Amino acid sequence: AQSVSQHNHHVILSEAASLELGCNYSYGGTVNLFWYVQYPGQHLQLLLKYFSGDPLVKGIKGFEAEFIKSKFSFNLRKPSVQWSDTAEYFCAVNGGSQGNLIFGKGTKLSVKP
Amino acid sequence: GAGVSQSPSNKVTEKGKDVELRCDPISGHTALYWYRQRLGQGLEFLIYFQGNSAPDKSGLPSDRFSAERTGESVSTLTIQRTQQEDSAVYLCASRPTSGPSTDTQYFGPGTRLTVL
Repeated sequence: AQSVSQHNHHVILSEAASLELGCNYSYGGTVNLFWYVQYPGQHLQLLLKYFSGDPLVKGIKGFEAEFIKSKFSFNLRKPSVQWSDTAEYFCAVNGGSQGNLIFGKGTKLSVKP
Repeated sequence: GAGVSQSPSNKVTEKGKDVELRCDPISGHTALYWYRQRLGQGLEFLIYFQGNSAPDKSGLPSDRFSAERTGESVSTLTIQRTQQEDSAVYLCASRPTSGPSTDTQYFGPGTRLTVL
């Protein structure tokens, strides 16, 4: 069965620090990969996604993620975080032909002003 | 346009009671999903509807859970004889199956269910 691992439960950074959140998945076939973000009190929103092509994908708010097939990874990065990036971040993989997503447990990011 | 809406936003119930949760998808989205998020966990897939096709119920944790959807409109998730372990946030998502965003699920705000 497919699974997604997010190794960091809670990350605390100061503003302007660089961010990298790890995501690893287990699946041997073609995958579609997603990062969702949930800001405090808000809905889950799509941050970025990878389906095919350039393994470096850019999303909203300056976020990017790199798909490394050999490492089964899809890490999320941002060169300089802001206080407004405080949120919970979820990595997800497409779980089947119907498109249901398999999510990691999430990483809570706290950015200190 | 309006996003996915869910009601109620919060529900507190006693163990053993039945609850019904509602999801209004984005108009025109033919695909609809229910997920559950227990404290400290990721989202767990529960059930998937696609138009008039038979739903994919493979994620439902027990026969106390059921869901319905009429056509491409509202869906209801029913939990019978609730247990404390059912306490979670129940999220609904919808997805278009035509157009440029067929790969993206749009989530509602969730219903926080607390079973005492």
